[in-house]
Amino acid sequence: EDQVTQSPEALRLQEGESSSLNCSYTVSGLRGLFWYRQDPGKGPEFLFTLYSAGEEKEKERLKATLTKKESFLHITAPKPEDSATYLCAVPQGGSEKLVFGKGTKLTVNP
Amino acid sequence: NAGVTQTPKFRILKIGQSMTLQCAQDMNHNYMYWYRQDPGMGLKLIYYSVGAGITDKGEVPNGYNVSRSTTEDFPLRLELAAPSQTSVYFCASSYSRDGRDTQYFGPGTRLTVL
Repeated sequence: EDQVTQSPEALRLQEGESSSLNCSYTVSGLRGLFWYRQDPGKGPEFLFTLYSAGEEKEKERLKATLTKKESFLHITAPKPEDSATYLCAVPQGGSEKLVFGKGTKLTVNP
Repeated sequence: NAGVTQTPKFRILKIGQSMTLQCAQDMNHNYMYWYRQDPGMGLKLIYYSVGAGITDKGEVPNGYNVSRSTTEDFPLRLELAAPSQTSVYFCASSYSRDGRDTQYFGPGTRLTVL
C-alpha cells in the first residue's frame, strides 16, 4: 500500500533557526512528489514538484530535495510568516490520485 | 483567473439533512477532485473526475455523490448528513493525464453536522 509519512508532526523554531522537515514514502514507481503549504482556514497552496532523485528546487527560504526514499524541505533562516502546515503528497501508483501525508505544523517564533 | 472556487465557506447541518457543496474552476482543467480533511488525519480523496460525464470513487466515498456535467463544475452532494461528515472539504483541479501535474486547491468548505 502506498504510504506517505511526515516528521516531525510539529516543529517550533526561533526566527532565524534553520531546520528540515521530512517526508518519507513507499510507492511503486515514483512519478513525482509534491510539497504544499497550508495556512489555518485555507486550502493547500502549491510549493514544489520534484520528479527524480537528486532533484532540488528553491523558493525564497525554502529548498526541497528528493532521494529514492524521502524528501526534505529545508527552511533557512525562517521568519514568523513561514509558520504553516507543510504537506507532501505522491501520486498513487498507476493513477492520477494523490496520497497525502498528515503534515508538519511549523511555528516560527519572533 | 479566479482558480478554484468553493461555496459555501461554512455550513451547519442537522442530522439527516442534505446539501450540495459547489466547486468551480476556470483553468480549463480536465481533472477535478474532492477531499475531506479531518484534524490530524490528512487529506482523504472522496471522489474524482477525469472529465465531463466521468467520475470515480476515491478512498472515502460513502455518504457522498458527485456529478460532472461541465468541465468547470464539480458539485459534491451529501445525502442524509451524519456527524461523521463533519469536516473541512476541499475541491481541487489539475490538467493531469498521469498524476504528474499539480493539483490546485480551493479555499474549502467547513461543514458541521449536529
